[in-house]
Amino acid sequence: EADIYQTPRYLVIGTGKKITLECSQTMGHDKMYWYQQDPGMELHLIHYSYGVNSTEKGDLSSESTVSRIRTEHFPLTLESARPSHTSQYLCATCGTSGREVSGELFFGEGSRLTVL
Amino acid sequence: LAKTTQPISMDSYEGQEVNITCSHNNIATNDYITWYQQFPSQGPRFIIQGYKTKVTNEVASLFIPADRKSSTLSLPRVSLSDTAVYYCLVGYMDTGRRALTFGSGTRLQVQP
Repeated sequence: EADIYQTPRYLVIGTGKKITLECSQTMGHDKMYWYQQDPGMELHLIHYSYGVNSTEKGDLSSESTVSRIRTEHFPLTLESARPSHTSQYLCATCGTSGREVSGELFFGEGSRLTVL
Repeated sequence: LAKTTQPISMDSYEGQEVNITCSHNNIATNDYITWYQQFPSQGPRFIIQGYKTKVTNEVASLFIPADRKSSTLSLPRVSLSDTAVYYCLVGYMDTGRRALTFGSGTRLQVQP
């Protein structure tokens, strides 16, 4: 299975602060994704990347930005956090696995952000 | 990416078989159908994937009719621990520059 790590798991910050959510993976997967999910609600794709120096915006407009300088890392940054950014952010990779499938999404544990 | 439609919620009892259907009328020729399970405060995890007909693994079966415009996830003899949200995802993940978008999912509640 892919190993994918997100930090921090929980973050409570004040309005106007800059934050970066880290996402790292050890499987060498080219494709990585950021999803935003409010409690009990569906997943919304906000950013994705198909490899180094490739980033695209997802279906849900987000004020966050991402970068992909290295295959292993796909950090998400909010320059000035607001209460409306309060949510859970899930990072995922897509690649081959031990199963005979056409790609599989592997998710991290998520980062739960609360902006006061 | 093909848009998917699922029931919002389903209720069942322990030991029963549960079937969750997903509609994907504009599925593309190369698209696969993948189902994920999500528990609260966790990321989704892979359950099963198929392209056509029937696929079975140790936890579920996936039925896909010939026109591939829908698919049915079958969970045999559910237990309380199967209470979760189930998503179907349609797309071709190996190549191409398309995003992977989840639908609304089906919230399954298993009662004792």
